[in-house]
Amino acid sequence: DAGVTQSPTHLIKTRGQHVTLRCSPISGHKSVSWYQQVLGQGPQFIFQYYEKEERGRGNFPDRFSARQFPNYSSELNVNALLLGDSALYLCASSPTGSRGSYEQYFGPGTRLTVT
Amino acid sequence: SQQGEEDPQALSIQEGENATMNCSYKTSINNLQWYRQNSGRGLVHLILIRSNEREKHSGRLRVTLDTSKKSSSLLITASRAADTASYFCATEGYSTLTFGKGTMLLVSP
Repeated sequence: DAGVTQSPTHLIKTRGQHVTLRCSPISGHKSVSWYQQVLGQGPQFIFQYYEKEERGRGNFPDRFSARQFPNYSSELNVNALLLGDSALYLCASSPTGSRGSYEQYFGPGTRLTVT
Repeated sequence: SQQGEEDPQALSIQEGENATMNCSYKTSINNLQWYRQNSGRGLVHLILIRSNEREKHSGRLRVTLDTSKKSSSLLITASRAADTASYFCATEGYSTLTFGKGTMLLVSP
C-alpha cells in the first residue's frame, strides 16, 4: 500500500516568489494536516483539512493557505516567500479528523529553500 | 508554541544499552504520542498512550505517562545502530498535534 506522498522532494525559490506543495494521503484517509519543520526544531502545525473543510489553523500568517480536493489530496500555498520560510514541509494523513486516537501518517516531506 | 519539551536534547550510547528520553508538557491532554524521524525525513509513529494509561509496551519500546507531573518517558531497550534518529513527543489538542523539539539519539556500534 502506498503511504503519504509529497511533491516535489526539494525546491529552491527566491524571496517574494510563491510556492505550491502537494500531498496525497493514504487511500481511505480523509484528513490531511500540514506541518513546518525548521532545522533543529519539532514540526509546527500549519493546517488541518477534513472532508475538504479547514478544521484547524496554526499560528502562521495569511501568506500560508491550503485546500483539499474531492480526492482528499491537498495543496499548501505560500505567497511572498521569506528567507524564514526555508524548512521541511510535512504532510500527514489520518483516517478521521476527530479527537481521540489521532495517529498521523507522515509523508517524506518537501525541503524548501528560499534564497 | 511547542507543548512538549524533550530531555535530553541529545543522547549518545553504545549498541545494546538502553536509551531513556523524557517529555514534559504544559496542558491537559487526551493522549501523548512518540514519533521517530530519520535524517530530516518524515516522521514515523511509534506509540500512543492515552491519558488514562500509565504504561504501554511495543516491542523494545516502553512508554510511561504521569499526568500528575505532566510528563512521559520513552525507553528503548537493547538499542541498535538503526535506532539512531530524532525522537519527538507530541500531545493531541483539538484536531492537531503539538510536537516538542526532540531528542537526537546516536547509537554507536
